[in-house]
Amino acid sequence: EDKVVQSPLSLVVHEGDTVTLNCSYEVTNFRSLLWYKQEKKAPTFLFMLTSSGIEKKSGRLSSILDKKELFSILNITATQTGDSAVYLCAVLSNSGYALNFGKGTSLLVTP
Amino acid sequence: NAGVMQNPRHLVRRRGQEARLRCSPMKGHSHVYWYRQLPEEGLKFMVYLQKENIIDESGMPKERFSAEFPKEGPSILRIQQVVRGDSAAYFCASSPRSTDNTGELFFGEGSRLTVL
Repeated sequence: EDKVVQSPLSLVVHEGDTVTLNCSYEVTNFRSLLWYKQEKKAPTFLFMLTSSGIEKKSGRLSSILDKKELFSILNITATQTGDSAVYLCAVLSNSGYALNFGKGTSLLVTP
Repeated sequence: NAGVMQNPRHLVRRRGQEARLRCSPMKGHSHVYWYRQLPEEGLKFMVYLQKENIIDESGMPKERFSAEFPKEGPSILRIQQVVRGDSAAYFCASSPRSTDNTGELFFGEGSRLTVL
């Protein structure tokens, strides 16, 4: 059965810190890995990764995929209180239409 | 451009009643997905629909749950004879293409069902 494991489950940091969120997966016929940010409302798309070693970057957020070791990391530099959210990792396989989500990492950034 | 609209945002039902959750996809999107999020769990895929067609319902419970996406109007997720274990947040997502092309979905804010 396909599996997506995120770590840590929760994290508390101070504003200005840098954080690294982890996502490991076991998926048959991997196609892509996606990161979403979920505040108290709808999950919003951050990145989609399909190739190993190519960093995707958006402002203070960046992500990279390692298809050999089957994991991805999401980095957030110079964190702000507005970064507080649950960060979801999901994997898509070639054999279906469903995104397989991890349980998420709950990040709290304190002033 | 309005996002994915779900209603109701909150729904309370007693055991045995029916729950109907509605989802209007983003303008121009013809692919709709339903996900369920139980407390302390990740989002779980339920069903993928295109207009008038169920494409993949591999995540739907075999009984009491059904979904449709008619030619006109919103997609509806219907839960008959609800039980306490159905209490969850139900998220709808839409995309302009199937996820086998992009994987990117646009989510609604969810409908939170509470079964008393």
